[in-house]
Amino acid sequence: NAGVTQTPKFRVLKTGQSMTLLCAQDMNHEYMYWYRQDPGMGLRLIHYSVGEGTTAKGEVPDGYNVSRLKKQNFLLGLESAAPSQTSVYFCASSYSPSPQETQYFGPGTRLLVL
Amino acid sequence: DQQVKQNSPSLSVQEGRISILNCDYTNSMFDYFLWYKKYPAEGPTFLISISSIKDKNEDGRFTVFLNKSAKHLSLHIVPSQPGDSAVYFCAALYGGSQGNLIFGKGTKLSVKP
Repeated sequence: NAGVTQTPKFRVLKTGQSMTLLCAQDMNHEYMYWYRQDPGMGLRLIHYSVGEGTTAKGEVPDGYNVSRLKKQNFLLGLESAAPSQTSVYFCASSYSPSPQETQYFGPGTRLLVL
Repeated sequence: DQQVKQNSPSLSVQEGRISILNCDYTNSMFDYFLWYKKYPAEGPTFLISISSIKDKNEDGRFTVFLNKSAKHLSLHIVPSQPGDSAVYFCAALYGGSQGNLIFGKGTKLSVKP
């Protein structure tokens, strides 16, 4: 039982390049989330998904797209990376959106955009 | 404007003593509050939570207190242990959904042996 895994762990991009971050969970959770954490800041929700085939915007969705084609995977895409997207990205999952259900987080992906 | 504020970036305590981490919020619609702990190079892990209809929740060495009139909550760790050294995030949500989870900036706790 690996929990929540994220690929890659670290990536350097040039401005304008695109990339996809992969999140996978093996807990059969319905809900999945993508957050970003900037230095000295708390986590901010980018997008989330309430189930396979569905996505919704979070607090800071601009510049990102997401897809949830399979229940266990949640992809975060950057079509044209900008230096402002330099951050650590965390994926999380939970059984339901209820606050009584714990969100389990992955180890993070560190992204540097030059 | 920050809706969840952790005004102390860091806190240092001696092993065995009490650690008190504070959090203030501005949105009166928040109906659930959570604390997460984060070690370097790892994702956050859930620690303890409290509903807005309660004023205290306890789990082992960890107790969270909520003062709704002051829009303030605190996390007490007793006794503090070196392994508790981490960044602690306060988070709040409204509408009963974790899709509306708002995090504070975090407080770095150092517990010295």
